[in-house]
Order: sequence, then structure tokens, then C-alpha cells
Amino acid sequence: GAVVSQHPSRVICKSGTSVKIECRSLDFQATTMFWYRQFPKQSLMLMATSNEGSKATYEQGVEKDKFLINHASLTLSTLTVTSAHPEDSSFYICSASPLNTNLNIQYFGAGTRLSVL
Amino acid sequence: QKEVEQNSGPLSVPEGAIASLNCTYSDRGSQSFFWYRQYSGKSPELIMFIYSNGDKEDGRFTAQLNKASQYVSLLIRDSQPSDSATYLCAVGNSNYQLIWGAGTKLIIKP
Repeated sequence: GAVVSQHPSRVICKSGTSVKIECRSLDFQATTMFWYRQFPKQSLMLMATSNEGSKATYEQGVEKDKFLINHASLTLSTLTVTSAHPEDSSFYICSASPLNTNLNIQYFGAGTRLSVL
Repeated sequence: QKEVEQNSGPLSVPEGAIASLNCTYSDRGSQSFFWYRQYSGKSPELIMFIYSNGDKEDGRFTAQLNKASQYVSLLIRDSQPSDSATYLCAVGNSNYQLIWGAGTKLIIKP
């Protein structure tokens, strides 16, 4: 149980293109989904918190127009990196919190490694 | 002061010994506490969560919580080389988010 699927696992793209990353909870409904970014040898950095049917809440310093988040259903959230540049190259990871839990528990997807040339 | 603190390590433990990982947190009102394991290049994997004072055991893992001291620990018994990873301590906040420690790198030496 508690499987989160994240696709694609790896993306290589040219500078200026947009990249969409999908995050799905496969066997549970998720009240909230989270998007993280992690640079090599650094800790997880929360980018935004996403609730189904409402606008995402972005952390300070994260550009909402750059990182578009859509949480269309209780099992799907997407992150679109718009006009990607080399400095956006990173490991992007989503997580999901099951509905009807008050323990803040999060299950993680496998992550997406983005390389912008 | 960081909200969740962990020693970055590396912590080196011989195979078969007990590995002890520690974490302190600053928000006295915190109610839920988590240990995740992250292998290099992979995403975090939930090992255990605890929300009551005392010990919680799951196989070779034991989580310990002391709310008075604002201290959480993870013990790994009979450590195996496959336990070598970075262990992340996380504390739940009132916004349903997790506040993360920087992680402790654990190395189990054969």
C-alpha cells in the first residue's frame, strides 16, 4: 500500500523548454501533495504544498509562474517547470499525504532528475 | 536555531552492531515524528513514525521519543551494509507539512 508514482524519472531538455512532471497516488487518495527539490548532497527543500481543487501554496523564494502546480484530483498533481534553464537542473520529488490522516505522514514518489542543457 | 537538528555524520558502525541516530526539535507543540531513509540518488523512504512518548519497535528498528527533552532517536539493531544511507528526521507541523533535518549519513562497515 501507499504507493506514489512519479513520471518521468529522468528528463534531459534544452534551455527554454517546459517540462511537466506527474505525481499520482496509486492506492490511496491524497489530501495534500508536496513538491520538493534536492540539489546534490543537500537536504530536501520544500517548494510548494498542493491541495486538491485549490491553488498551491509556494514557499518563500519559489516563483509560482516558473513552477506551475495543478492538483486536479485527489490522486494526481503535476508540476510544470516553465522555460527551464540550466540552474533549474535538480532532483524533483513529490510526496502525498493520505486522506483522513492527522499524522502528517508523507509517501514519496521515486523522483525526477531534470537536466537542462 | 534550526527547527530540526541532526548530526550530519558520517556515522560509522561495524556490521552487526547497533546504530543510534539522534534528532532534536524546537517546536514543543509537535505531535508527529518520522524517520526516513534515503539512498544516494533515490527519494526518501518512510521507515517509522512515532507520536507517543516511549519506544516503538518494528523489526530491527526502534524509534524513541522524549517530548520533554524534545528528542527523537532511531536505533538499528544488527546493522547491515544495506543500511548504509542518509537518515532523515522529520517533524510534523500544524500546516500538515514536515520540517526536515539535514540528515545523518550512516556507513555500516563489513
